[in-house]
Amino acid sequence: TQLLEQSPQFLSIQEGENLTVYCNSSSVFSSLQWYRQEPGEGPVLLVTVVTGGEVKKLKRLTFQFGDARKDSSLHITAAQPGDTGLYLCAGAPVSDMRFGAGTRLTVKP
Amino acid sequence: GAVVSQHPSRVICKSGTSVKIECRSLDFQATTMFWYRQFPKKSLMLMATSNEGSKATYEQGVEKDKFLINHASLTLSTLTVTSAHPEDSSFYICSGSTSGGTKNIQYFGAGTRLSVL
Repeated sequence: TQLLEQSPQFLSIQEGENLTVYCNSSSVFSSLQWYRQEPGEGPVLLVTVVTGGEVKKLKRLTFQFGDARKDSSLHITAAQPGDTGLYLCAGAPVSDMRFGAGTRLTVKP
Repeated sequence: GAVVSQHPSRVICKSGTSVKIECRSLDFQATTMFWYRQFPKKSLMLMATSNEGSKATYEQGVEKDKFLINHASLTLSTLTVTSAHPEDSSFYICSGSTSGGTKNIQYFGAGTRLSVL
């Protein structure tokens, strides 16, 4: 059973479109991270959110942490082919981290 | 950001042999290191957590005698796949985490693709 539920699991869009990926749980997290992984590589940390309601922006990526610290979203504006990859959310309700199943994003030129 | 080096990036071995994978934190002290296994097009599956100087804590279903983990220093952890078999073929990824305010952040190695013939 996944502690973190990510949706959608797969997403294929055209360049220039917007998208949102969700990460939900019934548990409260002390912090939550978003990673992006490309094939054959390790995950790369994009952002960490700590405070309920927090919003962080990283260029065209906007991350939001839910007020209750149980969920998070990643919004990409004007997606580009370079955004293609597996997006993983990870949270640590206690002392160890668990990953969501991931969202595999493909952005077509 | 913090850098974790994982070596080798790719290894091919014969069935029955043992393979050692190294994970080094280059610019920080990793009080905790994690080992994951990833199947094609799937998310990361935690295998074990190790703290420097302590025995690793293995996740349910992971054979500790099969996957030997050593975390002898704050910058190095190793995973040894003993008597490897084709079903052990997979992508193995390590990560390191620091203690303190950002202790829940993990920095990942680039992964090791193991192919057992």
